[in-house]
Amino acid sequence: AQTVTQSQPEMSVQEAETVTLSCTYDTSESDYYLFWYKQPPSRQMILVIRQEAYKQQNATENRFSVNFQKAAKSFSLKISDSQLGDAAMYFCAYRSVLRDDKIIFGKGTRLHILP
Amino acid sequence: NAGVTQTPKFRVLKTGQSMTLLCAQDMNHEYMYWYRQDPGMGLRLIHYSVGEGTTAKGEVPDGYNVSRLKKQNFLLGLESAAPSQTSVYFCASSYMGLAAGELFFGEGSRLTVL
Repeated sequence: AQTVTQSQPEMSVQEAETVTLSCTYDTSESDYYLFWYKQPPSRQMILVIRQEAYKQQNATENRFSVNFQKAAKSFSLKISDSQLGDAAMYFCAYRSVLRDDKIIFGKGTRLHILP
Repeated sequence: NAGVTQTPKFRVLKTGQSMTLLCAQDMNHEYMYWYRQDPGMGLRLIHYSVGEGTTAKGEVPDGYNVSRLKKQNFLLGLESAAPSQTSVYFCASSYMGLAAGELFFGEGSRLTVL
């Protein structure tokens, strides 16, 4: 069975600095999606970024980028120029292409932004 | 652009009462999900549906029932609420197959059972 591990329950970063959130996963499949979701205090789940496993190029969305290491089964999220609005819980998630009905979430990392 | 809509947003119940959470999506998604979120536990899957008329158990199904009579709606029922069911409930939906991609979430429903 697939698992997703976020080893950092909480992190803090100074405003305008860069922070990296880690995520590792375990799977025997070769085709899958990986996602980072953001959950601010409003509790709405917002998709930050997605990565298809067949793509070697790391996904980027403005200040958010990922470091996808398929062999190491690692999918970290880098937030550059951190802003107060980035304070949230961040969830890493895995979705199989073969068994696309199941999505596995990590337990989350709470990110604090220090002014 | 409604997306995924959950009702109600907040509810307080007494132990033993019943209630139904409604999830509606207007994106013609095949798959729909109910999760619960508790502090330190992340998102845990309760039940899900891969199409109209079908449902399946997730990780924590006990004490809940679901129905998907229409493609756009997914109902989560609590027959006899217990304090352990105090939580925030999220509905989500997605396409299937090669278009599956990400989940689209509702805003969440906070349920308190006294």
